[in-house]
Amino acid sequence: ETGVTQTPRHLVMGMTNKKSLKCEQHLGHNAMYWYKQSAKKPLELMFVYSLEERVENNSVPSRFSPECPNSSHLFLHLHTLQPEDSALYLCASSQENTGELFFGEGSRLTVL
Amino acid sequence: DQQVKQNSPSLSVQEGRISILNCDYTNSMFDYFLWYKKYPAEGPTFLISISSIKDKNEDGRFTVFLNKSAKHLSLHIVPSQPGDSAVYFCAASGNSGGSNYKLTFGKGTLLTVNP
Repeated sequence: ETGVTQTPRHLVMGMTNKKSLKCEQHLGHNAMYWYKQSAKKPLELMFVYSLEERVENNSVPSRFSPECPNSSHLFLHLHTLQPEDSALYLCASSQENTGELFFGEGSRLTVL
Repeated sequence: DQQVKQNSPSLSVQEGRISILNCDYTNSMFDYFLWYKKYPAEGPTFLISISSIKDKNEDGRFTVFLNKSAKHLSLHIVPSQPGDSAVYFCAASGNSGGSNYKLTFGKGTLLTVNP
């Protein structure tokens, strides 16, 4: 596989569930990101990992917990979410010091 | 307060004509601008970028113009093709792309190119 892959593509969960989103990049990049896209809103940056170290946490509620075990993998652990957290969650990667993000196809999350 | 604004949620053009997508920004520290294109059920893909030291960058049918004094940039697609139908996002950063994790995105403009 090439590029940035995200699983699952679709996820429906209850407010008391615990689930995780997974992202894998095959581009040799050293930075990875989680973005949230809600309806009629701009893409919102959630987290940034650079060289496996979290360098940005954009005031995201603690019910979202990222994990970056290595430069190719990024997880977003979800627990006790709210219905308003329903959105498209996009993972991206880049080589630091370049302006180009490579996005995955996104994970569409629905919280019931 | 939105720092990157795409005031037209949608645009419809005829195949072969020019598409002009507009973007305004408020943060004078932005110095690197990008356009991304997104098809349904896919992630955004990078299209073209421009640094504030330039006022025009061209790549095939796509040209981005930057007017720093007006804090305005535009994406021109000519000639437009039905395959260009997608949502186009404008994005900006404040460190010539070096701190690209600080990309700020607009809400996007849905372009429809009619055959």
